[in-house]
Amino acid sequence: DIQMTQSPSSLSASVGDRVTITCQASQDISKYLNWYQHKPGKAPKLLIYDASNLATGVPSRFSGSGSGTDFTFTIRSLQPEDIATYYCQQFDHLPHDFGGGTKVEIK
Amino acid sequence: EVQLVQSGAEVKKPGESLKISCKGSGYSFISYWIGWVRQMPGKGLEWMGIIYPGDSDTRYSPSFQGQVTISADKSISTAYLQWSSLKASDTAMYYCARPVATGRFAGFDPWGQGTLVIVSS
Repeated sequence: DIQMTQSPSSLSASVGDRVTITCQASQDISKYLNWYQHKPGKAPKLLIYDASNLATGVPSRFSGSGSGTDFTFTIRSLQPEDIATYYCQQFDHLPHDFGGGTKVEIK
Repeated sequence: EVQLVQSGAEVKKPGESLKISCKGSGYSFISYWIGWVRQMPGKGLEWMGIIYPGDSDTRYSPSFQGQVTISADKSISTAYLQWSSLKASDTAMYYCARPVATGRFAGFDPWGQGTLVIVSS
């Protein structure tokens, strides 16, 4: 199985801050990586697909980059409604495992 | 509107069997994979497996192979996740989800609303 190492596991930032989360795959997954936002009591929401493509209706302050083994997810200007846990997911090789998650809180 | 609607919460005893469902609407059910994702209390998302209703091709995570069965009934556009003998450790929220792209693996969107399964004696 491909291991997805996501960091940090949690972070605290102020409204308006730039927030960066990284995800490292244990082997090359090309561009086959997604990013999700998960809020308590709701279903996860796809934000970024194929490493860098913004899903439909997702605000442009969210972005993703990377290929191969190293990927980055960025919130350009953190908003109160962005409080959630964020997950990366690879879909190059079965099983399509998720990273361990990053809990984002407001400072 | 593309939708996945899951069956309601379940409370079961250890050793009991269970089958939960996920009904798709608003799209060609046989043309998209449907996956299942587990979230145990206080934990992260775990990919369990995926099925292609068009031909019932099913792939499991090694972590869940033999522990659950994924199936689909294309005549009623419904996918299923079932257990033959539940354990307390099966207590979790279970989500179904569909890839954004037809006929291939891709990011999951949309997702079902989730089915809470509680296993307790």
